[in-house]
Amino acid sequence: GAVVSQHPSWVICKSGTSVKIECRSLDFQATTMFWYRQFPKQSLMLMATSNEGSKATYEQGVEKDKFLINHASLTLSTLTVTSAHPEDSSFYICSARVASGTQYFGPGTRLLVL
Amino acid sequence: QKEVEQDPGPLSVPEGAIVSLNCTYSNSAFQYFMWYRQYSRKGPELLMYTYSSGNKEDGRFTAQVDKSSKYISLFIRDSQPSDSATYLCAMSGTFGNEKLTFGTGTRLTIIP
Repeated sequence: GAVVSQHPSWVICKSGTSVKIECRSLDFQATTMFWYRQFPKQSLMLMATSNEGSKATYEQGVEKDKFLINHASLTLSTLTVTSAHPEDSSFYICSARVASGTQYFGPGTRLLVL
Repeated sequence: QKEVEQDPGPLSVPEGAIVSLNCTYSNSAFQYFMWYRQYSRKGPELLMYTYSSGNKEDGRFTAQVDKSSKYISLFIRDSQPSDSATYLCAMSGTFGNEKLTFGTGTRLTIIP
């Protein structure tokens, strides 16, 4: 089956630092990956769509200069939270889309900003 | 009004019972309807998807879509403790080419 991994699984950082989260498709190539954020007891909210070799498309209200997305290869997309603040603490989940259109999700990265 | 409404629960049922999970939506352009299962601190896992109105069965799981009522359901038969998770509905206008719109998820606990 299609497997998506994320690294790290959890991270604690100080306010003002930057954090990079990796999303990898392990057994397939994904031209499109998605980044979601999930706050406690809330649903997944799409942050941006990441296309290999091109700029990411951000959802309304998501600061592209704060959440930097790079999709440099067909198996790797990265999300960098720049100058993180406590309100950025959340569960960040990526997904990768296979050719059939189905999205497979990673296990998520829990970010805590102190 | 949210595009997709889902009762967050929590919902607790005894082992072996039939579980009914539901979502309503307002966007008539939605054509594809998906159910994801999410265990605590894990990413969502696709259970099933259906296109337009109708039923789809996969083992103990049945997905039902009523587009006229803008109402979708997931039924779990012979529920097991391992079914305890949060179930999220998601939908889109096309399959794979649009972003998914998720419900808030229903937290389900199956009591042994």
